[in-house]
Amino acid sequence: QQQVKQSPQSLIVQKGGISIINCAYENTAFDYFPWYQQFPGKGPALLIAIRPDVSEKKEGRFTISFNKSAKQFSLHIMDSQPGDSATYFCAAIPPSNTGNQFYFGTGTSLTVIP
Amino acid sequence: DSGVTQTPKHLITATGQRVTLRCSPRSGDLSVYWYQQSLDQGLQFLIQYYNGEERAKGNILERFSAQQFPDLHSELNLSSLELGDSALYFCASSARGTGGRETQYFGPGTRLLVL
Repeated sequence: QQQVKQSPQSLIVQKGGISIINCAYENTAFDYFPWYQQFPGKGPALLIAIRPDVSEKKEGRFTISFNKSAKQFSLHIMDSQPGDSATYFCAAIPPSNTGNQFYFGTGTSLTVIP
Repeated sequence: DSGVTQTPKHLITATGQRVTLRCSPRSGDLSVYWYQQSLDQGLQFLIQYYNGEERAKGNILERFSAQQFPDLHSELNLSSLELGDSALYFCASSARGTGGRETQYFGPGTRLLVL
């Protein structure tokens, strides 16, 4: 059972456009939602994260929108650049020290065309 | 460079064998996490250690085990290997071990191929 559902699986965007990746989660106990960026041959790197008491968080060209009632959150990349081409993973994290595992989405491969 | 080192980079072995993957966390980080990344399963959390003790457990098979040593390096042992265990195994480290809510620094991964 997929605890975090991510879509789309792949995305092609023109340079300067907006990239939008969506995630939905099941367990309302999750209380931290990071996004990771992974370039080919590298490990994932934390990009931006949000807590459920906030509806939006922005860092530069990257914005997370969070809808607690719908149990959905999304990553928006404004003014997408070819250097943003990577795989993006969302994740859902339970409260710390609960001994519970955290879950990742299946990833979205983003290609930004010059 | 994240500061997390993993060895070996690549590993080719046969079914039924046992392998050990090694991870050295960033200097000062007390927590280590292990992940498996495969094409069909995506990125899966396996297990977390904090200062030598197991803190959180994910989808880790019984054939797999891990430990964190007093010098904070960690090893992931995979035994009775099956074809389906072929994947990229990542180690990550963080300072306080508060699960995913602090930045985890990922190593470059160990690519395991089971033939």
